[in-house]
Amino acid sequence: DIQMTQSPSTLSASVGDRVTITCRASQTINTWLAWYQQKPGTAPKVLIYQASNLESGVPSRFSGRGSGTEFTLTISSLQPDDFATYYCQQYDSYSWTFGQGTKVEIK
Amino acid sequence: QVHLVQSGAEVKKPGSSVKVSCKASGDIPSYFAVSWLRQAPGQGLEWMGQIMLDLGTPNYAQKYRGRVTISADKSTHTAYMELNSLRSEDTAIYYCARDYGALSYFVAWGQGTLVTVSS
Repeated sequence: DIQMTQSPSTLSASVGDRVTITCRASQTINTWLAWYQQKPGTAPKVLIYQASNLESGVPSRFSGRGSGTEFTLTISSLQPDDFATYYCQQYDSYSWTFGQGTKVEIK
Repeated sequence: QVHLVQSGAEVKKPGSSVKVSCKASGDIPSYFAVSWLRQAPGQGLEWMGQIMLDLGTPNYAQKYRGRVTISADKSTHTAYMELNSLRSEDTAIYYCARDYGALSYFVAWGQGTLVTVSS
């Protein structure tokens, strides 16, 4: 299985900050990568698909970049609603796998 | 838009089985796939397997092959996940999610079903 490694595991930031989360794949996955946001007690919600495509309805402050093995999710100006846990997921090959998650906390 | 609704929470004994359902409603396309994932308490997400509702063909993660059965009733747009030989480590929230088959992410999720395995 392809291993996905996210960094950092926890990120402390303030409202208005620009934050970036990194996701690395153990082998190339082209651009077959999605990013999800999960809040406590709720199911994940897709933000970005195919590395850089914004899912319909997702605010434009979210953006994704990368290809091959290295990817980033950036929130340009952190809002109170953005404090959550973020996961990357590869769908290049079965079994689809996720990163371990990055928790974005209030500083 | 497709909406997924899962069955309710379950409490099971070690060694038993659990079957969770996931019913789709809304504007359901002819090509429709459902994946099952799980999330142990305080842990990350793990994909267990997938089924194409129109074909009824399941695809399993290696880790769960032989212990999980994913099935579907095309007439009611309902997918099922049965996990056997339950152990305490299987305590988790189980999610169904819509995907597009191969090379797909998860575009819509059920609300989750808590399965607790305890003696």
